[in-house]
Amino acid sequence: GNSVTQMEGPVTLSEEAFLTINCTYTATGYPSLFWYVQYPGEGLQLLLKATKADDKGSNKGFEATYRKETTSFHLEKGSVQVSDSAVYFCALSGSARQLTFGSGTQLTVLP
Amino acid sequence: SAVISQKPSRDICQRGTSLTIQCQVDSQVTMMFWYRQQPGQSLTLIATANQGSEATYESGFVIDKFPISRPNLTFSTLTVSNMSPEDSSIYLCSVEVKVSGELFFGEGSRLTVL
Repeated sequence: GNSVTQMEGPVTLSEEAFLTINCTYTATGYPSLFWYVQYPGEGLQLLLKATKADDKGSNKGFEATYRKETTSFHLEKGSVQVSDSAVYFCALSGSARQLTFGSGTQLTVLP
Repeated sequence: SAVISQKPSRDICQRGTSLTIQCQVDSQVTMMFWYRQQPGQSLTLIATANQGSEATYESGFVIDKFPISRPNLTFSTLTVSNMSPEDSSIYLCSVEVKVSGELFFGEGSRLTVL
């Protein structure tokens, strides 16, 4: 079946630091890949997505590239802000269209 | 996009009771799903809510414990039956929007079972 393995947290960074959160997946076929973010006290929001190999999803300064050869979809941001503190979930969507989530990574950015 | 209204947003329940969570979406959707997020953990799919027929449950979830209804395209309910403290979780409704195929989530219903 499908699975997502995500870098364990928590991750603590200083403001303006570079962020990478690793995500690898196992799936049959050609899944779509997503990063969701959950800010404190809020619901889950789609951050970015990619639907085919070599696609790059981007939003709010975050980027992730769909790498089929390494089955990865690592999340990056060049300069994090305190407001980026949240839990980040990597997920994939297969043929049945429901999502399989990674375990989540708690990011804390210090001023 | 889609605006999803989930009710209740939170509740404190007694052991052995049941609670029904409602999910209403403001646009045409194809798929509706229910997820559970246990404290400090990731989201796990409970079931796919099918319009006019029985929901499709994932391994480890059964209809007697989590009965689901979906009487029309934009509304679904999830009942958590005979609750125990282990059912304390956030329950989230998710929908796939018909036009774009994108998936959206409600803000969740945080249940605490005493």
